[in-house]
Formats: sequence, C-alpha cells, structure tokens
Amino acid sequence: ELKVEQNPLFLSMQEGKNYTIYCNYSTTSDRLYWYRQDPGKSLESLFVLLSNGAVKQEGRLMASLDTKARLSTLHITAAVHDLSATYFCAVEGLYNQGGKLIFGQGTELSVKP
Amino acid sequence: EAGVAQSPRYKIIEKRQSVAFWCNPISGHATLYWYQQILGQGPKLLIQFQNNGVVDDSQLPKDRFSAERLKGVDSTLKIQPAKLEDSAVYLCASSSWQGSYEQYFGPGTRLTVT
Repeated sequence: ELKVEQNPLFLSMQEGKNYTIYCNYSTTSDRLYWYRQDPGKSLESLFVLLSNGAVKQEGRLMASLDTKARLSTLHITAAVHDLSATYFCAVEGLYNQGGKLIFGQGTELSVKP
Repeated sequence: EAGVAQSPRYKIIEKRQSVAFWCNPISGHATLYWYQQILGQGPKLLIQFQNNGVVDDSQLPKDRFSAERLKGVDSTLKIQPAKLEDSAVYLCASSSWQGSYEQYFGPGTRLTVT
C-alpha cells in the first residue's frame, strides 16, 4: 500500500529565510504533485513532477523529484508572508489507475515578519 | 475556462439524516474524483470515475455513501445516514490526460454533522 509522509508537519519561518519541506513515499512511482491550500479554501496545483530528476520552479518555490530515493522536496527561498499556507504532496499510484493520488498529511507553513 | 463547480458550499445536518453533494467538472474532463478531507489531514480519495464508470471505490463506505455520474458529466455524492465522523470537507476534482493526470479541485462542501 502506498504511503506518503511529509515533514515537517508544522513550520514557522521568518521572512527572508530559506527552508525545505520533504515528501517521502513508500512504493515506486514517478509522478508527484504539489498543492497549496489556504485556510478554508480548496487545493491549488503548484507543480507536476513526472520523471526522476525533474525540477520545477515558480517564484520563490522550487520542487524536485528523486524517484530512486522516493523523495520529493519543496524548497522555499527568501520566504514572504504570502507563502503562508498548507502544502501537500501527492503521489500517483500504480499505472493505469487513471491518476489516483495518495496525499501526504500536509505541512502548515507560517511565515512571520 | 470555468473551473470545477460544487454545491452546496456549506451544509449542517443532524446525525442519521441524509445529504447530497453535487459536482460539475471542467468541460471535457473524463475523470472525476470525490475526496474527503477531515480537518488537519490530507484529502482521501473516496471514489474515482472515468466517464460514467467507476475506476476505484475501495475507500468508499458503501453502507452509507453512494455516488453516481450520469452521462459522464455531473456527479452526486450521497451520505445516508450521516454519522458524526462524516464531518469534513468533500472535494470534487477532475482531470484530463495531458501527459499527466493533474487534478483540478472545486471549492469543496463543508459538512457538519451534529
């Protein structure tokens, strides 16, 4: 059974600092997604990582995927308050399951001035 | 392009009552998903449709939950009878194969069972 674990679960950062959120998963997969969720809101797609070594960047966020280590990272550079949200990674299950996703527990990020 | 639509946005019911949620996916998206998100947790897939056929409903509590997707477009999710532990946000998502199954989520329905 595919399990997805994120750490840390809670992260309080100061503006301007860098940090990394980790996403580990338990079985083979080469498709991983990162989503952002603001309080009381739905999920917004951030990154789609489709192969080993994939790296995507958008603004102060950069995501990478190492399928051999079964690890994805979401790196935050020079954090700003607007990045405060909960971040989820989600791993696609076995092939031919039409995109079934298993989500991690989420990392609640709070960026303070 | 219009996003995934869901209604109602909020619902409060008493335990043992029934409730239904509606979802309209992005036009042309063949795959539709219903997720349950309990406060403080990640979404959990309840059921996945491909057109109007069920692909995966292994985590749907079938004694009380049911879902259908008539004509391969809109979908409804029903709970009957509701329990206190069903209090959660019910998210609908849709996707279309474009090199991946990137899913687009609706705003969700927040259900409170008292």
